[in-house]
Amino acid sequence: NAGVTQTPKFQVLKTGQSMTLQCAQDMNHEYMSWYRQDPGMGLRLIHYSVGAGITDQGEVPNGYNVSRSTTEDFPLRLLSAAPSQTSVYFCASSRSGGGTGEQYFGPGTRLTVT
Amino acid sequence: AQSVTQPDIHITVSEGASLELRCNYSYGATPYLFWYVQSPGQGLQLLLKYFSGDTLVQGIKGFEAEFKRSQSSFNLRKPSVHWSDAAEYFCAVGAGPTGGGNKLTFGTGTQLKVEL
Repeated sequence: NAGVTQTPKFQVLKTGQSMTLQCAQDMNHEYMSWYRQDPGMGLRLIHYSVGAGITDQGEVPNGYNVSRSTTEDFPLRLLSAAPSQTSVYFCASSRSGGGTGEQYFGPGTRLTVT
Repeated sequence: AQSVTQPDIHITVSEGASLELRCNYSYGATPYLFWYVQSPGQGLQLLLKYFSGDTLVQGIKGFEAEFKRSQSSFNLRKPSVHWSDAAEYFCAVGAGPTGGGNKLTFGTGTQLKVEL
């Protein structure tokens, strides 16, 4: 049981380039989320999904796209990278219904945009 | 809208001393409250959670937290800090697993330094 996995761990992009951050979970969780972490700002929600085929925007969605074609995977796409997107990105998953809704986090992807 | 305030950006304590990290939240209904810890270069690990019942909750690594509805607070405590507790601590509030995708709102974090 690997939990939540993210690839890559580190990435450097030039302004205007595009890329996809990968996230996968093997816990059969319905909910998945993407957060970005910036110094002094905690974690802010980018996009989230309540199940395959259903996504919605969080607090800071601009510049990012997501899709959820399977329960396991929730990739985050940067269409045209900007220096303001330099951050650490965390993917998280949790169960729906029952339980306490605690989220399980991946190890993060550190992205630098030059 | 829900929000979380962690008023202390940095805290330094001596090893063996007691610790209290403050967390105040704003939420319109019964909140689901969490404390997470993040070691340098690592992801977030859940320390403890509260959603109902006993207002004093126990977590891992000897941590506990008390939910006080009248003060909108969920402070984290530990009676005796170990050097390995040095990390960043985040308080978070959410609507729970049936509340619109279980979105969490995080505080800005408290960086804990432990002096030997």
